[in-house]
Amino acid sequence: DAGVTQSPTHLIKTRGQQVTLRCSPISGHKSVSWYQQVLGQGPQFIFQYYEKEERGRGNFPDRFSARQFPNYSSELNVNALLLGDSALYLCASSLGAGEQPQHFGDGTRLSIL
Amino acid sequence: GQQLNQSPQSMFIQEGEDVSMNCTSSSIFNTWLWYKQDPGEGPVLLIALYKAGELTSNGRLTAQFGITRKDSFLNISASIPSDVGIYFCAPFYNQGGKLIFGQGTELSVKP
Repeated sequence: DAGVTQSPTHLIKTRGQQVTLRCSPISGHKSVSWYQQVLGQGPQFIFQYYEKEERGRGNFPDRFSARQFPNYSSELNVNALLLGDSALYLCASSLGAGEQPQHFGDGTRLSIL
Repeated sequence: GQQLNQSPQSMFIQEGEDVSMNCTSSSIFNTWLWYKQDPGEGPVLLIALYKAGELTSNGRLTAQFGITRKDSFLNISASIPSDVGIYFCAPFYNQGGKLIFGQGTELSVKP
């Protein structure tokens, strides 16, 4: 069975640009969460979506937004990119909003020049 | 906010040795998860704990959910080279549905 899949695997952008990252959850999972992992640190929670609605939001600026589609896949958008946005962006899926455990994809490595 | 302390930050051990790492929190949690992350990959779930006092094993790995619900530990017995990686504790915070990750324990195993 396919796990959580994320695309693209790597991305290079310049400051001020916008980026869209994509995630497909494990089949049957209805909740998707996004995390940002800066080099040398643990992942930090950005968003959780369940049944197309935002269920949780971490301490990130409004430049970060996300949405979930009827097939439960999700997109993370980041506008006006800053150098500090360079990180590994991880997507995790779970059966439901409060259900554990969450299973992670291998992430999208975003580099800002 | 929640404060989570994971220790040690790094460990250098000989193959065959046992390893222990732990996490302590200022908050109470109902779920503790342990993940391992290899370079260039996402975290992989090792063990999930759902009840205070629970002791759960997965092969050579054993984890316990502390009675106070503010801590958890992970033991690895008879370490092997493929145990190398970064281990994260991640308690689940019900409000907002988020996992809170520790700083990680980087494990190095010398053959």
